[in-house]
Amino acid sequence: QKEVEQDPGPLSVPEGAIVSLNCTYSNSAFQYFMWYRQYSRKGPELLMYTYSSGNKEDGRFTAQVDKSSKYISLFIRDSQPSDSATYLCAMKGSQGNLIFGKGTKLSVKP
Amino acid sequence: GAVVSQHPSWVICKSGTSVKIECRSLDFQATTMFWYRQFPKQSLMLMATSNEGSKATYEQGVEKDKFLINHASLTLSTLTVTSAHPEDSSFYICSAGPTAPNTGELFFGEGSRLTVL
Repeated sequence: QKEVEQDPGPLSVPEGAIVSLNCTYSNSAFQYFMWYRQYSRKGPELLMYTYSSGNKEDGRFTAQVDKSSKYISLFIRDSQPSDSATYLCAMKGSQGNLIFGKGTKLSVKP
Repeated sequence: GAVVSQHPSWVICKSGTSVKIECRSLDFQATTMFWYRQFPKQSLMLMATSNEGSKATYEQGVEKDKFLINHASLTLSTLTVTSAHPEDSSFYICSAGPTAPNTGELFFGEGSRLTVL
């Protein structure tokens, strides 16, 4: 079993839809959880950063962490075409590096 | 968020030559920087952890003599791909954070796309 599992998609939604992106993980020691957005041919951009369980909201983005289920989510409200990108979940490994999911490719259609 | 700058953004070189990629933290000091590689349509894979003032730590399967890492200051780490071959063509990305490695809050450079002819 891989440490971090993420459905690669692709996921296509109409503009204005609520998008739900998810990852599961196997290592119960993970404490820090991140979501990155990566546009084509660009480096990842940090979107959300969460420590331990709970919710965190930033504008149209909400990150949820459920450590009991080893499940994290990113919700995007009122999705826009500019949100079209690959979204990567990541968790902090024991050496301080990030362990990434495969990324979900999202396309928001006007 | 914190800013990490990477240079060059793209480079084309002949097989057998060496290429140096720079990673700089612009508004914070980074004792630790991470180098990742990303092949098309795949996720980022950690290559090595760069530690200021000491030797880098390489992931299993990554040749340390081929991918030379130098972290000479708290704001600069360099990755040199020596004797590059076409299979080394990839997207190389560095990351760093003001509180790394204690937390996972890492910011990424824009990446360097290497094409080896």
